[in-house]
Amino acid sequence: ETGVTQSPTHLIKTRGQQVTLRCSSQSGHNTVSWYQQALGQGPQFIFQYYREEENGRGNFPPRFSGLQFPNYSSELNVNALELDDSALYLCASSLIDQGRTDTQYFGPGTRLTVL
Amino acid sequence: LAKTTQPISMDSYEGQEVNITCSHNNIATNDYITWYQQFPSQGPRFIIQGYKTKVTNEVASLFIPADRKSSTLSLPRVSLSDTAVYYCLVALSGNTPLVFGKGTRLSVIA
Repeated sequence: ETGVTQSPTHLIKTRGQQVTLRCSSQSGHNTVSWYQQALGQGPQFIFQYYREEENGRGNFPPRFSGLQFPNYSSELNVNALELDDSALYLCASSLIDQGRTDTQYFGPGTRLTVL
Repeated sequence: LAKTTQPISMDSYEGQEVNITCSHNNIATNDYITWYQQFPSQGPRFIIQGYKTKVTNEVASLFIPADRKSSTLSLPRVSLSDTAVYYCLVALSGNTPLVFGKGTRLSVIA
């Protein structure tokens, strides 16, 4: 158990809708990274949040956005859902301290299906 | 970011030792080597991380030669429950985004 939790576990949406996924980081961690994992592929980096600000972004369009809260939990929002957004969404928490970052620990993921 | 290359799949019988080798020819001086295990529809699970020589924990060993251009994850006496995808990654101890390849699909058979 990593202590990283995600909700919901599964979600079904239709094209054009909006979705919000949530992640609670491991106690003592201050950074959350989000990844998208399509079937049969490795996880792909979406973005990272550190101290409530975006701290790096992968090759994802602006309709993927996020937030980090003072308690270091985080949300991933996806607008105008497309069929290709169907995937397992993973969050990973870590600690950035004095410029160094510890290992990233992943949550169980949220399975999003877009119909 | 250094790219990694690892076998797409491997098969093993229960009780055997499994060694999965990963090549990372362009590893940078400050990069660490990290391995994750992932079961279907679950998040990747951290297995082991190292910088050089050998690292051992209760789950696995990681062997890194002096030139650090490759690494080998060693799983002692695998069981059916070790059937999973194993990812080798190279990163600044998590500071940079983790770049996952397709991993190695390990199948353990009885």
